[in-house]
Amino acid sequence: DVKVTQSSRYLVKRTGEKVFLECVQDMDHENMFWYRQDPGLGLRLIYFSYDVKMKEKGDIPEGYSVSREKKERFSLILESASTNQTSMYLCASATPPGGEAEAFFGQGTRLTVV
Amino acid sequence: GESVGLHLPTLSVQEGDNSIINCAYSNSASDYFIWYKQESGKGPQFIIDIRSNMDKRQGQRVTVLLNKTVKHLSLQIAATQPGDSAVYFCAELTSGGSYIPTFGRGTSLIVHP
Repeated sequence: DVKVTQSSRYLVKRTGEKVFLECVQDMDHENMFWYRQDPGLGLRLIYFSYDVKMKEKGDIPEGYSVSREKKERFSLILESASTNQTSMYLCASATPPGGEAEAFFGQGTRLTVV
Repeated sequence: GESVGLHLPTLSVQEGDNSIINCAYSNSASDYFIWYKQESGKGPQFIIDIRSNMDKRQGQRVTVLLNKTVKHLSLQIAATQPGDSAVYFCAELTSGGSYIPTFGRGTSLIVHP
């Protein structure tokens, strides 16, 4: 089974802290994604990566950055956490365009910024 | 204090009834569609997918219907069970471009015993 693992289920951070959310997948997928999920707003794409060291902005990249130094690992970074970044963060991985496979999700990290 | 967001569309059904969850997609170039189920406290899980060269696909207790003319997707769940209670999302993708799933807002399904 494909496994996408996020390092933390729950995090509480203070305003202004630098926050790292880690995601690891074990299926050798090229594409990885970070979404945030807020009540009634669905999943909104923050950043995605289609290869090592490659990254593209999604719909809401402001306040975030990402790092993909290895194929299996995609990190989301909040340079200076703010309360409006309190949310559920979901990492996903998928095969390249044209593949049959759907995006596989991690279990999510619920981040609270106080 | 707790933030208040938009309320999800909600479908309430009795156990044993059939459920139909609808989704309108936006990109006429989308050619691959997926339904996900998200239970409380978990990440979304794949249910069923369909390509644009099909208008119907069946799985175990689930059927997805695709109407490309009106850009509409539906998920039918037969004999709904309490374990089906979850939020359901549709996702659209364009296989010819970069593989980025775009998700709808989701529908909350509540199954009453």
